[in-house]
Amino acid sequence: AQSVSQHNHHVILSEAASLELGCNYSYGGTVNLFWYVQYPGQHLQLLLKYFSGDPLVKGIKGFEAEFIKSKFSFNLRKPSVQWSDTAEYFCAVTPKHSGNTGKLIFGQGTTLQVKP
Amino acid sequence: DTAVSQTPKYLVTQMGNDKSIKCEQNLGHDTMYWYKQDSKKFLKIMFSYNNKELIINETVPNRFSPKSPDKAHLNLHINSLELGDSAVYFCASSQGQGATEAFFGQGTRLTVV
Repeated sequence: AQSVSQHNHHVILSEAASLELGCNYSYGGTVNLFWYVQYPGQHLQLLLKYFSGDPLVKGIKGFEAEFIKSKFSFNLRKPSVQWSDTAEYFCAVTPKHSGNTGKLIFGQGTTLQVKP
Repeated sequence: DTAVSQTPKYLVTQMGNDKSIKCEQNLGHDTMYWYKQDSKKFLKIMFSYNNKELIINETVPNRFSPKSPDKAHLNLHINSLELGDSAVYFCASSQGQGATEAFFGQGTRLTVV
C-alpha cells in the first residue's frame, strides 16, 4: 500500500536556525512529490513540487527539497527559518501512471514552531 | 479572487442532523476533491470528481454524498451526523486527473455536538 512517513512530528527552532524535515514514501512505481504548508487557521498552500528533472527543487519563501530516489525520500530544507514559518508542513505523493486519479497521499504532518 | 472557496467556514451542529458544505472553484479545473483532516491533522482523501463524474470514493460511509452539478462545483452532503464526523473538510481542485498540483480551499471546520 502507498504511504508517506514524516519523521518529525513536532519541531521547535529558534529564528535563523536551519531546518530539515524528513519525508519518506512507500510505493513501487514512480511518483510526483509535494510539500504543502498550512499556516494557523489557513488552507494548504503548495511550497514546492517535484515531477522530474533536477532532484533539487526550489520553492517559495526560501524552501527547497531534494528527491533521493534510492532512499525514497523528499526532505524539505530551509537555511534560516523565521518566526513566520511557524506552521504545519505536509509531505504528499501521487503515483505517476496512466491511471493516476490525482489523489494525494499525505504524511501525518510536522508542526514547526519557530521561537523569536 | 479566491480560487477555491468553501462555505461555511465553521459549522456546529447536533448529532443526527443533515448538513451540506459547498465548494466552488474558478480556476477552470476539471477535477475536484474532498479531503478530511482529523483531530491529529492527518489528511485523507474522501472523494474525487472529474468533469462531474465520480472517480474516487475512498470507503467513506454512505452518509456522505458528494454532488457535482457542474465541473466548477462539488458539494458535500452529510446525513445523520455523528460525533466522529467532527473534522476539517477541505475541498481542492486540479487541472485534469494527472499529477498536477492541487489547490485547496480554506476548509470547513465541522463540530458535531
